Amino acid sequence: EAQVTQNPRYLITVTGKKLTVTCSQNMNHEYMSWYRQDPGLGLRQIYYSMNVEVTDKGDVPEGYKVSRKEKRNFPLILESPSPNQTSLYFCASSLKGTAYGYTFGSGTRLTVV
Amino acid sequence: GENVEQHPSTLSVQEGDSAVIKCTYSDSASNYFPWYKQELGKRPQLIIDIRSNVGEKKDQRIAVTLNKTAKHFSLHITETQPEDSAVYFCAARYRNTDKLIFGTGTRLQVFP
Repeated sequence: EAQVTQNPRYLITVTGKKLTVTCSQNMNHEYMSWYRQDPGLGLRQIYYSMNVEVTDKGDVPEGYKVSRKEKRNFPLILESPSPNQTSLYFCASSLKGTAYGYTFGSGTRLTVV
Repeated sequence: GENVEQHPSTLSVQEGDSAVIKCTYSDSASNYFPWYKQELGKRPQLIIDIRSNVGEKKDQRIAVTLNKTAKHFSLHITETQPEDSAVYFCAARYRNTDKLIFGTGTRLQVFP
């Protein structure tokens, strides 16, 4: 089944403790992206990757890192999480660029205390 | 800047009525406009999209219209059903940056 898999689904952590949210797709998509969803603010792009080893900042990249060593994986790293990073995170992928619509992962609800 | 405005933020309709959600974008070069439906606790899912060379597209009870001159596009849902209750997001592709910018969402409630 074609899908984008995110893990974990739920995570509660403490301020400053490094964490990684994994994202994997099995559709051979070139384009992958991370979004955060906050009430009243919609979906805001954190980072995106147009292909292996090619990543760039989105609209809200502060406090986040990404890597794209393999085509299928695009992990989101929070080196030192803070409470303002409490949010619902979605990974998304697209065949090529953004002109083909996204397939979203099932989301990760992160709480930083 | 890159911006998509979406209205209304909430919409309540009676089952069987129509619902219309409107979005405005700022970049005249935008060329792709998808709509996503997000049910409670679930991921956004693409329900319909339109490209800039088309003025209207329909898929059963849903339709999207695009007015390039005015830089706005709309989602129309006819004969609404309770299962249409969800948050709907519009988005516009900014061609120069290849970024998909989302609106802030519309919570649609369909009452039986």
